[in-house]
Order: sequence, then structure tokens, then C-alpha cells
Amino acid sequence: GQNIDQPTEMTATEGAIVQINCTYQTSGFNGLFWYQQHAGEAPTFLSYNVLDGLEEKGRFSSFLSRSKGYSYLLLKELQMKDSASYLCAVRDWAQAGTALIFGKGTTLSVSS
Amino acid sequence: GAVVSQHPSWVICKSGTSVKIECRSLDFQATTMFWYRQFPKQSLMLMATSNEGSKATYEQGVEKDKFLINHASLTLSTLTVTSAHPEDSSFYICSVETGTDNSPLHFGNGTRLTVT
Repeated sequence: GQNIDQPTEMTATEGAIVQINCTYQTSGFNGLFWYQQHAGEAPTFLSYNVLDGLEEKGRFSSFLSRSKGYSYLLLKELQMKDSASYLCAVRDWAQAGTALIFGKGTTLSVSS
Repeated sequence: GAVVSQHPSWVICKSGTSVKIECRSLDFQATTMFWYRQFPKQSLMLMATSNEGSKATYEQGVEKDKFLINHASLTLSTLTVTSAHPEDSSFYICSVETGTDNSPLHFGNGTRLTVT
């Protein structure tokens, strides 16, 4: 999505913490989603924010600031299997109804 | 368990032929399904919104006569790539809206299309 920006690539080591940022512009914001996608596979849902603040789900947390058009996904205690692409997506009523508009994804490489 | 079933997982076809991809919602009725396309190392791009019992809504730049969508029942939507060309080679993924405004989309496993 042209109005969603996230870094192209990030690297980290096992056990570390990594934060993936996402900025967006919408006309009718109705939620921000984070998905994980391994190469050649479908995306899997990680987290969702519609109100400002932090949502925590195990090793993954996601934060949203609607006034700043900003979100981040925080991954703790990184494992090798966390190497994947992380997609930031928004639901924008004005642009696409209930569909999700995706950013280009951030490829995370976790090394030992 | 799986919420969405997509078939086939991969297909190779010759240029000029047509390919049909099926997307089924399992265990629930889906009035709305979405079709996305993803080129290598690119984002998922929304192609169209499939509405049960009515015409699909296509995104700008997506040819409706080339990518035929049929959503004839509450559990099945099909995407037919007509007269396929090598540039149509891509990963096609369907997704299903499961209900409330706050619900995430559930994705099928995708179809890898290669046109030779």
C-alpha cells in the first residue's frame, strides 16, 4: 500500500528484542493489523489495534498512536523461527471498505 | 483449524489458457471475500472484493474481464484468470471476513500461478 510505510529489512539475534515500525495515512481508519508471513505461505494474524495503546500477546506486542498515524510491533525473546516477513495492514473504510490494505512488509532475519 | 481453504495450491499453465482458483470458507458463511495478488518480495495487493450474490468490486487497475470473480454461495468464491500471460504469474490469495468490524481477515494458503 502506498500510504503504509515500514522498513524493508531488519536483522536481530536470538533472544533479543526487535521493534518494527509502521506509519500510515488513512481517510477512514478502522483498525491496524500485524501479520506474519513466511516465504511462499499465507499471512497469519498476529495482533490488532483500534484504540491507542499497547496490546500484548505473549512474546508479541503492538502499539498504536492514531494521532501520529504510527504503530509498532515488538517481538521479544527472538527465536530463529521468527525469521519471516511482518506485514502492517490497515482497515480504511474510505479506501477499501472492510478489506485490509497492506504495507510492503519488513523482512526480519534472526541469527544465532 | 483452517478457516479458509484455497485450491489449487499451485498451477502451471500455458499462455492463453484460463485458470480457475477456488476459495472456500469452512464452518461459517462468508458474504464477503477478498482476492489479493502478491508478486515476489512485494506487498499483498487487493484485487477485488467478492460479494455473495452480486458483482465483485474491483480495485483500480484490475481488469474485471480478465479476472473473473464469482461468489455464487456463502461458502465459495472463484477467481478465473482468463487468457493468462506470463506477467500474470503470481501468488494469488483469498481471504474471508468472519464477522465483526474488529475481526482480522483469515487467509487461504494461496495459489502459486506460473504461466509459461
